[in-house]
Amino acid sequence: GAVVSQHPSRVICKSGTSVKIECRSLDFQATTMFWYRQFPKQSLMLMATSNEGSKATYEQGVEKDKFLINHASLTLSTLTVTSAHPEDSSFYICRGQGAMNTEAFFGQGTRLTVV
Amino acid sequence: DAKTTQPPSMDCAEGRAANLPCNHSTISGNEYVYWYRQIHSQGPQYIIHGLKNNETNEMASLIITEDRKSSTLILPHATLRDTAVYYCIVKLGSRLTFGEGTQLTVNP
Repeated sequence: GAVVSQHPSRVICKSGTSVKIECRSLDFQATTMFWYRQFPKQSLMLMATSNEGSKATYEQGVEKDKFLINHASLTLSTLTVTSAHPEDSSFYICRGQGAMNTEAFFGQGTRLTVV
Repeated sequence: DAKTTQPPSMDCAEGRAANLPCNHSTISGNEYVYWYRQIHSQGPQYIIHGLKNNETNEMASLIITEDRKSSTLILPHATLRDTAVYYCIVKLGSRLTFGEGTQLTVNP
């Protein structure tokens, strides 16, 4: 099946710094990338949806200037957490979907810890 | 998207069938039922999906009631590696909305 490679798997950063998370679709073209966040013992919450070459659409309550999403190519999407704070510590997961896919292919997730 | 209701937790003995229920009483006619699972600290894994008919693949079987208001995911021979949170999702289009899921614990 299709694979979405997410990197890094774990990252620790200092408060006030920025962190970039990458998701690459390895054997299909991800026309749409979804970004989720998951706090401990909670379910996945959709943060934003991006289509290749377009600006991302953010869910209510998600700050677009804080969570910068780039989807400039069909195989790469990035999420940058800017000016990170401890409350941004979470598990971030991407999901790539191609034009013809009915399944959804998730990345492995990134555990972000802000200290 | 239609809301789903799942029991928060279930236990199953290794080697036995695990039957995970899901209620989706407000599902509309063109919404699919999807099942994913998430092993701790990993991304969700697709299991199976269906619209009206029962479905089976190498991982599981999906039984959807005739009125489509509920479904059951069946893992025929559960193993310890099947311990995970299982999410039942009603999906229209490409958007996935996750509920709380069921924590399945397979015991030796």
